[in-house]
Amino acid sequence: EVQLVQSGAEVKKPGESLRISCKGSGYSFTSYWISWVRQMPGKGLEWMGRIDPSDSYTNYSPSFQGHVTISADKSISTAYLQWSSLKASDTAMYYCARLSSSSVWFDPWGQGTLVTVSS
Amino acid sequence: QSALTQPASVSGSPGQSITISCTGTSSDVGGYNYVSWYQQHPGKAPKLMIYDVSNRPSGVSNRFSGSKSGNTASLTISGLQAEDEADYYCSSYTSSSTHVFGTGTKVTVL
Repeated sequence: EVQLVQSGAEVKKPGESLRISCKGSGYSFTSYWISWVRQMPGKGLEWMGRIDPSDSYTNYSPSFQGHVTISADKSISTAYLQWSSLKASDTAMYYCARLSSSSVWFDPWGQGTLVTVSS
Repeated sequence: QSALTQPASVSGSPGQSITISCTGTSSDVGGYNYVSWYQQHPGKAPKLMIYDVSNRPSGVSNRFSGSKSGNTASLTISGLQAEDEADYYCSSYTSSSTHVFGTGTKVTVL
């Protein structure tokens, strides 16, 4: 079974750093791009960016470029989403999703990681 | 990249058909046959319902169908059932090699 399993919920203070993870299983991790998607409380889905785990090539939504970093460690089939200095406005649910072989649709999705940033 | 435009809410009675629209531009929806649709129940991760405009993944009911005309894609749910009550999002690949989601539509089964 193809599966993406994300790390657990996080509670952080403004200014702190954070890295959340997404571990793929049941398929060749380096053969499919991984995307990250944000969902702020009560709001819609926002595409943040994607990574090719085979060579760690990334591209980002202009809205998120420079604010987050997407990386991957293919040796452990894991993708990451990282912040160097969190803000309260980063409070959201974050999903990872595998892109199709044609790299245009998302399936499956991880279960989500809730990030809460509060002083 | 602006979000694709969807109606905020659509409702219907059990057994009826409803259609959700998703309007973009020639740089996304209109430029590619790469529109996909996702269903999200409260507190759950999104689930792929339609890919490449009109294709259904294995396991998705044939009551769900997709189409596209110009810069607008549509998702139709026929024979509406209580379990279809959820939020629905469209998504498209874009000319910038990025992806964009729709604003989301809440489907209510009356």
